[in-house]
Amino acid sequence: AQSVTQLDSQVPVFEEAPVELRCNYSSSVSVYLFWYVQYPNQGLQLLLKYLSGSTLVESINGFEAEFNKSQTSFHLRKPSVHISDTAEYFCAVSESTGSQGNLIFGKGTKLSVKP
Amino acid sequence: ETGVTQSPTHLIKTRGQQVTLRCSSQSGHNTVSWYQQALGQGPQFIFQYYREEENGRGNFPPRFSGLQFPNYSSELNVNALELDDSALYLCASSSKGALEQYFGPGTRLTVT
Repeated sequence: AQSVTQLDSQVPVFEEAPVELRCNYSSSVSVYLFWYVQYPNQGLQLLLKYLSGSTLVESINGFEAEFNKSQTSFHLRKPSVHISDTAEYFCAVSESTGSQGNLIFGKGTKLSVKP
Repeated sequence: ETGVTQSPTHLIKTRGQQVTLRCSSQSGHNTVSWYQQALGQGPQFIFQYYREEENGRGNFPPRFSGLQFPNYSSELNVNALELDDSALYLCASSSKGALEQYFGPGTRLTVT
């Protein structure tokens, strides 16, 4: 069975500092990987995705994530965070076979950016 | 392009009652998935609908049921509500064959 582990439930960081949110997954088959962001009292927004090809994927707002198959990881990074990045971030996995609706989410990491 | 919308935004029900939550999919999307997000947890997959039929189900009891309509909108019905059903219910839409899912703002259900 698939599972997703987000190793940090909360990450406090100062503005303009770098940040890494860690995500590890387990699966017996190939997977697709996603990061979603949830701002307070809102739904989930797709931040970035790994489907195939280059293992380094980037979002439009400066986040990037690298798929590491040998370590079964998909860590999210940003070199310099802003106050507006304060939110909860969810890592999710979907198997490359079977129902595409079955996104498996981690428990989330709350990123708190302080001035 | 209209995004995914859900109604109502908040709902309070009593244990044992029944509830219906509604979702309108994003324009051009024909597949709808429902998720339950309990407080402090990640979303959990309930089921998915495609062409008005259930197309995959997570580990939820039969009292969780759904419908999809010809215009691709969807309903989630929960019977015999329990206190543990209190959660944020998220609807996501996608195109069949596409891997990205786009989420609505959710319905916050409180069961007392």
